[in-house]
Order: sequence, then C-alpha cells, then structure tokens
Amino acid sequence: GQQLNQSPQSMFIQEGEDVSMNCTSSSIFNTWLWYKQDPGEGPVLLIALYKAGELTSNGRLTAQFGITRKDSFLNISASIPSDVGIYFCAGASNSGYALNFGKGTSLLVTP
Amino acid sequence: GAGVSQSPSNKVTEKGKDVELRCDPISGHTALYWYRQSLGQGLEFLIYFQGNSAPDKSGLPSDRFSAERTGGSVSTLTIQRTQQEDSAVYLCASSLSATGRNQPQHFGDGTRLSIL
Repeated sequence: GQQLNQSPQSMFIQEGEDVSMNCTSSSIFNTWLWYKQDPGEGPVLLIALYKAGELTSNGRLTAQFGITRKDSFLNISASIPSDVGIYFCAGASNSGYALNFGKGTSLLVTP
Repeated sequence: GAGVSQSPSNKVTEKGKDVELRCDPISGHTALYWYRQSLGQGLEFLIYFQGNSAPDKSGLPSDRFSAERTGGSVSTLTIQRTQQEDSAVYLCASSLSATGRNQPQHFGDGTRLSIL
C-alpha cells in the first residue's frame, strides 16, 4: 500500500489553542478518514470524507477533502487535555478497500 | 460488546514458535480486515475478507502469515515460525461491507505481539 505524507509529526501546544494537521498523497483517493489513537487502544474514527471539497465537522473537529483528491486536513479548535493522542489520516481509492495510512501526528496538550 | 474484539491483548513468545491471533468483528459487519502497526508507524494492510468471497491476501508479508474467517464472522491470523521482525501490534477492523460511503472501518484494540 501507499504511505501517505502526514505533517507535522508532532505538536506540543497549550490548552485552548487551535491545531491543524494535514495529509498528502501522490495518488487520488475517493475516501479520506481521520482516526485518533490513544496508547494501548485501536484507532477510533473521528471524521469520514467521501467527496472532493467536502468540509465536515464533528464537535470541535473539522476536516476537509482536498479539491485535488490528493490531500486532506484536520483542524481542532480550542484544544483540551483529552485531545492528547496520535491522529492518523487514511485514504482509500476506487480500486481498493485497504486503507493507506499516514505515520500519524502526535499531539500533546498542556493545561 | 458492541465493538471489534481481539484476543489476546498481549502475546509474548519465543522466536520460531507459531502464534494465533483472534478477531471477533462487529455483529452484522461482512467485511473484516487485518493490519499491522510497527512502533511509531502507521498501519500496514495485511488481508481482507468480504462475505464468502476469496480473501485478498496481497498485504501478507510472507508465506508464514495466513488467516481464516470461519462462518463469515470470527477470524484468526496465524504466524508460523515467528521472527523478531514480526513484533508489532496486530489490529483487526470490520465494516458493513467494503469501504465506501458510510461504511468506514472500525478497529479493535489490537494484539501486541512480542517475539523474544
């Protein structure tokens, strides 16, 4: 599978700050997903995107499916300590169902 | 429970031994996936089952890896003659069918495999 380029690799922010992370691919995807993983647990789905240009929110989280179909971003507004974890982007193409994952963005939030 | 269930949660074994990892998908989900997550890395696709169709084994790293899905529900991932590079977290996911609109993959908590 193809590895996605996810950035930044890690972020260390203060509570209340906004966060932005993004993911790029050299291939076109028809599905972009964002997951959060806590230590010792499996990834938990945050937002699913299925259409180029789509902008979707889930509480303080907002994600967009890039117009080129080769990128996506995730924003977290007014971060809180429980936002700590590793955030993964994942993409799937028309020809497959296996998800291609980024290497993750590690988020640390200080009170 | 309502989520994907995996067992054991942790497995430590000696190099050369065989291991079996189990996945119980969400009830009603016909698609089942296995992924491997090495330390500090994203998830790597291993194998996919959809209903009674032949599985897609294209992600299996070697012929020491195999998987079965009995009765369209529970799946077992088997690693024979384990090597130290097999150490990783093995994650199982399920979805209503193949990934598509409104059919995202939901993950279990994984089996952390350590090969001594």
